[in-house]
Amino acid sequence: GAGVSQSPSNKVTEKGKDVELRCDPISGHTALYWYRQSLGQGLEFLIYFQGNSAPDKSGLPSDRFSAERTGGSVSTLTIQRTQQEDSAVYLCASSLGGRDEQYFGPGTRLTVT
Amino acid sequence: GDSVTQMEGPVTLSEEAFLTINCTYTATGYPSLFWYVQYPGEGLQLLLKATKADDKGSNKGFEATYRKETTSFHLEKGSVQVSDSAVYFCALSDPGQAGTALIFGKGTTLSVSS
Repeated sequence: GAGVSQSPSNKVTEKGKDVELRCDPISGHTALYWYRQSLGQGLEFLIYFQGNSAPDKSGLPSDRFSAERTGGSVSTLTIQRTQQEDSAVYLCASSLGGRDEQYFGPGTRLTVT
Repeated sequence: GDSVTQMEGPVTLSEEAFLTINCTYTATGYPSLFWYVQYPGEGLQLLLKATKADDKGSNKGFEATYRKETTSFHLEKGSVQVSDSAVYFCALSDPGQAGTALIFGKGTTLSVSS
């Protein structure tokens, strides 16, 4: 059916607030990735989920970042105590399996003021 | 660690001109190589890929050949169109590991005028 969807499309928040970003992967895709796209750093990997396995969190930039994937489907990326340097476009991607083509969502543009 | 370097833009061309966007990589293993494209206001889309040395990926008139000896995966198109204006990202992944994240280059902005 539909591709990867993300919400909200845009989020403006004040420094110090917490934000939650949502990703709905393609139905049946077992692998889910979060990336961040910023002017200074380009596209960076954040975290990866595969089925019911423990997530690969090796790309998370600080302990203010966390993510969950409920029921092997929807994922939420949470940023606590946001900082201005967190301003970026957060992209979600899913794939059928861990070695398959990744399909990207449209992203959430986060602006921290 | 693994990395991807691609030419900085912006690249500005006239319609029907020849396009080359250079991409080189550093990897410890035998990566798969990709070109992704991001059209204005849209998400990242896979343009083409190659999974082993000497493979040629092609799509929509774009081509790239996996060159192990020069660790390169340059993107080419013989005649660009205005609709090709977008940001192009070269990327790699390690197929030996399940779920390995994509490692991207910084992106090259292409602007084609009529």
